[in-house]
Amino acid sequence: DAKTTQPNSMESNEEEPVHLPCNHSTISGTDYIHWYRQLPSQGPEYVIHGLTSNVNNRMASLAIAEDRKSSTLILHRATLRDAAVYYCIRKLISNFGNEKLTFGTGTRLTIIP
Amino acid sequence: EAQVTQNPRYLITVTGKKLTVTCSQNMNHEYMSWYRQDPGLGLRQIYYSMNVEVTDKGDVPEGYKVSRKEKRNFPLILESPSPNQTSLYFCASSLSEELNEKLFFGSGTQLSVL
Repeated sequence: DAKTTQPNSMESNEEEPVHLPCNHSTISGTDYIHWYRQLPSQGPEYVIHGLTSNVNNRMASLAIAEDRKSSTLILHRATLRDAAVYYCIRKLISNFGNEKLTFGTGTRLTIIP
Repeated sequence: EAQVTQNPRYLITVTGKKLTVTCSQNMNHEYMSWYRQDPGLGLRQIYYSMNVEVTDKGDVPEGYKVSRKEKRNFPLILESPSPNQTSLYFCASSLSEELNEKLFFGSGTQLSVL
């Protein structure tokens, strides 16, 4: 099963760090971990991705466990604009040889002013 | 501005009346795909295209058709829409289908089939 497991919802205070966990215990060696977020009434938006090493960009950091069975998206200082549904996704090659990216139901992040 | 443009944003139609949802990208991307989003089910892939004239089924292709005659356009066609196709639809594109490429999504098309 290519799905990942995330908590349904999380809350965080504004201007504090947020750690969004994701479990992908069946991941294989070539699968990438991607994170997208979806703001209300918008399409999903790319956040970050990684394979084995921790990754940083201007939006977030991605910490990948050494065994790659889990990862954590870190928003260093949450703002109200970060309130969204966050999707953790495995991107892999299917049995038919094509790229496959399976979205789950994500984590709804609420930011408290 | 780099973007994926879908039209229309909202569409209400009746059962059996053929419709087309357009998708266009201005980034010269090879890979394009269509998703539907339903409550509790997340996003599910309908069709994808790896390049011009190359299309293939995703997870939920029944009742849909696509074409890729030009690199920038990837329309979604519902020949005979039914109420179970009422959903929020997203078009997406990426430079290629490589695993480390990110997807760019359109703003969505909310379709209601009565």
